[in-house]
Amino acid sequence: DAKTTQPPSMDCAEGRAANLPCNHSTISGNEYVYWYRQIHSQGPQYIIHGLKNNETNEMASLIITEDRKSSTLILPHATLRDTAVYYCIVKNSGGSNYKLTFGKGTLLTVNP
Amino acid sequence: GAVVSQHPSRVICKSGTSVKIECRSLDFQATTMFWYRQFPKQSLMLMATSNEGSKATYEQGVEKDKFLINHASLTLSTLTVTSAHPEDSSFYICSARDGTRNSNQPQHFGDGTRLSIL
Repeated sequence: DAKTTQPPSMDCAEGRAANLPCNHSTISGNEYVYWYRQIHSQGPQYIIHGLKNNETNEMASLIITEDRKSSTLILPHATLRDTAVYYCIVKNSGGSNYKLTFGKGTLLTVNP
Repeated sequence: GAVVSQHPSRVICKSGTSVKIECRSLDFQATTMFWYRQFPKQSLMLMATSNEGSKATYEQGVEKDKFLINHASLTLSTLTVTSAHPEDSSFYICSARDGTRNSNQPQHFGDGTRLSIL
């Protein structure tokens, strides 16, 4: 699975959009980009995933560049409850290997 | 949406005790479940992959005789920490994937179990 690079921390003002970047320059054609977040002392929460098209759900939007070497998770109106560590994971969807490898993620702090 | 329930949420016990943690998929069939461990200020580390009806696959460095995994049904996997010692104190988290859906569908995580060994 391709390795990802994320900034260790980011700050965002409450009510503003939070844009979390992720670099995955070695991604291959059949690898998906997944985003999870972990609020302190809880299990990770699935946010969104995509292959090459931009995706949107009730939680966030995922923008993937045309060359797929990077992506951005967008929380359109961040709240204090969005403070968490956000993990970008690239995963091959094929075969029987479903393991997720977590990096260090980005600690997003939403400030009042 | 998919829900994974993990129990207990917190355990405090004496050194030498064995502790069992349960992971249940509440509204889907989980042919594969995963067990992670997370130490303070660190990321999740995969311990083992649990497949329904077969032996678990352990990651390098994880003692299979110490961390016993049983996945006897499509909705339940258990992790037993045998003869736990203070260095086993950690946050244990399970995840599950819906075996009836496409392989690109996400895994869903339990809320974790905080294990403290005195």
